[in-house]
Amino acid sequence: EAGVAQSPRYKIIEKRQSVAFWCNPISGHATLYWYQQILGQGPKLLIQFQNNGVVDDSQLPKDRFSAERLKGVDSTLKIQPAKLEDSAVYLCASSRDSSFEQQFFGPGTRLTVL
Amino acid sequence: AQTVTQSQPEMSVQEAETVTLSCTYDTSESDYYLFWYKQPPSRQMILVIRQEAYKQQNATENRFSVNFQKAAKSFSLKISDSQLGDAAMYFCAYKRTGANSKLTFGKGITLSVRP
Repeated sequence: EAGVAQSPRYKIIEKRQSVAFWCNPISGHATLYWYQQILGQGPKLLIQFQNNGVVDDSQLPKDRFSAERLKGVDSTLKIQPAKLEDSAVYLCASSRDSSFEQQFFGPGTRLTVL
Repeated sequence: AQTVTQSQPEMSVQEAETVTLSCTYDTSESDYYLFWYKQPPSRQMILVIRQEAYKQQNATENRFSVNFQKAAKSFSLKISDSQLGDAAMYFCAYKRTGANSKLTFGKGITLSVRP
């Protein structure tokens, strides 16, 4: 079974630029999560999708972050414009459904904003 | 709100020895899951072990075992016969049962293994 795929693995941008991250969950997984992990901290949930609908985006900075999951499969997370404090690892995870206890994580994207 | 606390930022263990990583949590729920995740330098979060709160028996996965104290809201991870490959960040996490519940992580602990 293929795992959660993410790209790119690394990204360096200047502040005020835009950036997008892509995630392909495990086949058949209905629930997809995006986390932000700042250095030295645990991951923080940004947004949760159930199929192509948003379940929880309470911690997503909506003035600059957006995410979509078209057709309930792949997902894209965008930051526009980026700030220095957005430097972090962005992790994507998926699970069979929202009540299933185990989430499977991708390798993450390390973003550096200069 | 649920919180997960890992108060030790770093620990070190000699290869082949045993080490225990501590975690406490706060919740008003009675039914939930607790997890330990490993994050090596490759950044991929790997599930090490999970515990269902309704089970009194402590979970065990090969060299990894937990000490789950529900009343004390404590969930420690014991790694026996430590190996060099165990060196990583370890995160304790909590998730209540039911749909749309959030996975809440602690700050993590960096474990180093001395050869």
